[in-house]
Amino acid sequence: QVQLVESGGGVVQPGGSLRLSCATSGFSFSAYAMHWVRQAPGKGLEWVAVISYDGSNKYYTDSVKGRFTISRDNSKNTLYLQINSLRTEDTAVYYCARETGATDFDCWGQGTVVTVSS
Amino acid sequence: SYVLTQPPSVSVAPGKTARITCGGNNIGSKNVHWYQKKPGQAPVLVIFYDFDRPSGIPERFSGSNSGNTATLTISRVEAGDEADYYCQVWDSNGDHPNWVFGGGTKLTVL
Repeated sequence: QVQLVESGGGVVQPGGSLRLSCATSGFSFSAYAMHWVRQAPGKGLEWVAVISYDGSNKYYTDSVKGRFTISRDNSKNTLYLQINSLRTEDTAVYYCARETGATDFDCWGQGTVVTVSS
Repeated sequence: SYVLTQPPSVSVAPGKTARITCGGNNIGSKNVHWYQKKPGQAPVLVIFYDFDRPSGIPERFSGSNSGNTATLTISRVEAGDEADYYCQVWDSNGDHPNWVFGGGTKLTVL
């Protein structure tokens, strides 16, 4: 069955960096656009970034532009999010999600927790 | 950027019908998707393209979209439906595409 498993979260000081990973299985990873979505404590879902099926197109929400980089390795069926210059407001559970191609997300991982604190 | 507005909370008795709204400027011209989010769990797609249900989602879940309001309707509400519900659209205006979520609605089953 389809599986998405995030990893790489942790506690980091403001200004620090992390690399999140999303290992996938059970579907043709290279055929799908993939996203990162986050949820801060007590807040709603927030779209973060998208990468096209072949990695040629990437888009970000304004608050992370220049600090976050989304990438993928289709040979490893894995999605990544490099997050730099972390701020306290980046504290959240980060989910990877598969886009169906019709702008909705039909499969999600369980999330990885990023805590930015001094 | 495009804004989706949801009521913070909706309460309903078991067996009754819950309606959760999602407001947006001319949202009827967009495709609206709905997600169920329970604490500690991944979001689950319950409605896509305004009113379609993914396999495995009960028929009790339905959706509609017209004018400036989209609505998720849950009939014969059960205790297990208690969760946060989020609407979502894709906005192609502006300098780049955006996937936009509403603020979420907490459904409480009394």
